[in-house]
Amino acid sequence: SQTIHQWPATLVQPVGSPLSLECTVEGTSNPNLYWYRQAAGRGLQLLFYSVGIGQISSEVPQNLSASRPQDRQFILSSKKLLLSDSGFYLCAWGTGPYEQYFGPGTRLTVT
Amino acid sequence: DQQVKQNSPSLSVQEGRISILNCDYTNSMFDYFLWYKKYPAEGPTFLISISSIKDKNEDGRFTVFLNKSAKHLSLHIVPSQPGDSAVYFCAASAYSGAGSYQLTFGKGTKLSVIP
Repeated sequence: SQTIHQWPATLVQPVGSPLSLECTVEGTSNPNLYWYRQAAGRGLQLLFYSVGIGQISSEVPQNLSASRPQDRQFILSSKKLLLSDSGFYLCAWGTGPYEQYFGPGTRLTVT
Repeated sequence: DQQVKQNSPSLSVQEGRISILNCDYTNSMFDYFLWYKKYPAEGPTFLISISSIKDKNEDGRFTVFLNKSAKHLSLHIVPSQPGDSAVYFCAASAYSGAGSYQLTFGKGTKLSVIP
């Protein structure tokens, strides 16, 4: 069966510090991978998606970036965090055209 | 511009009764619709979906109805149970090119089932 891992589960970082969140998927090959953010009181906002190694599409201009160094690994990064980057970050995968399956999420608080 | 709208931020229902969660969309290119359930501090879990060529899909206590002409879908939970208390997200899918489909989510409806 397929599983998706995200770490860390929670993170508190000062403004201006770098960020690296990691997501890995097991039990499937060549998945589509997604990064979402849920800000307080808001829905899920798609940040990045990837259909293959090294292929990244960005949906929202921001100070975040994503990379996919391996087939089942997706990394979300920032060089300098802003207060507005606080939120709940979710990684998701999908192989079919529709359903996406989410990881447990990372709660990021920028202070 | 919010393409998927869940106009009720919260809903309270008595245990055993029916819960009806509503969702409206504006983009005619959406061809598949999904409902996700989310508990606090966890990722959303897929609940049920419906293709735009259908008007109803049922899975146990959960039924999703789609009215394409009205661009409206709803999720019915019968009977409601306390364990159903969670935030429910409506999502709509459209092809985004390069072999990928994107989901657009509503803001969610918090369902509380009262014992």
